Amino acid sequence: QVHLQESGPGLVKPSGTLSLTCAVSGASISTNKWWNWVRQPPGKGLEWIGEIYHSGSTNYNPSLKSRVTISVDKSKNQFSLELTSVTAADAAVYYCARISERFPISYVDVWGQGTTVIVSS
Amino acid sequence: SSELTQDPAVSVALGQTVRITCQGDSLRNYYATWYQQKPGQAPILVIYAKDNRPSGIPDRFSGSTSGNTASLTITGAQAEDEADYYCSSRDSSAARVVFGGGTKLTVL
Repeated sequence: QVHLQESGPGLVKPSGTLSLTCAVSGASISTNKWWNWVRQPPGKGLEWIGEIYHSGSTNYNPSLKSRVTISVDKSKNQFSLELTSVTAADAAVYYCARISERFPISYVDVWGQGTTVIVSS
Repeated sequence: SSELTQDPAVSVALGQTVRITCQGDSLRNYYATWYQQKPGQAPILVIYAKDNRPSGIPDRFSGSTSGNTASLTITGAQAEDEADYYCSSRDSSAARVVFGGGTKLTVL
């Protein structure tokens, strides 16, 4: 059974950098999957942040692209998110997620439990 | 277009049938996926590849697509189906994942 676990600081200062890691267990990150970050501000819907393939290829949400970096560490079987210049609008529950796909099918088949990030000085 | 549009809220009487819709141009190229989210929990997959259910999802959940509109139908809604439902797909460029705004389902 594949399990994803987010970790990282739950409190980030305004203008600071949010850094989260997603540890993957039960499967190798070097498989034909996309590894994603999705967030959900309090009381709002899901927002896709971006994704990475084990080769290092990335896709980002255009609205966040200038501030986001997603990286992969195959030796640790994990991937990470960095979001710079955070503001109160970045406060959310952050989920890591695995996407399985074969055109025209694409879906998240594994979600992490989510981690809450607060932005405050 | 990279947007998916959902009705914000829908209600259904216990045991009745309800359809939740999702509209967007990307659905002409990619199948919609549907997720259920209950308060304080991560989303779970309920429908993928148009009308496939993961193991453990009751068969009262079904999906369909027509043109640029995907639908999630719950036949015989139960109290435990009360939740937020999100549709999702890749956008037409395949370089983005898009989510609908979500539909809050109330079971009366």
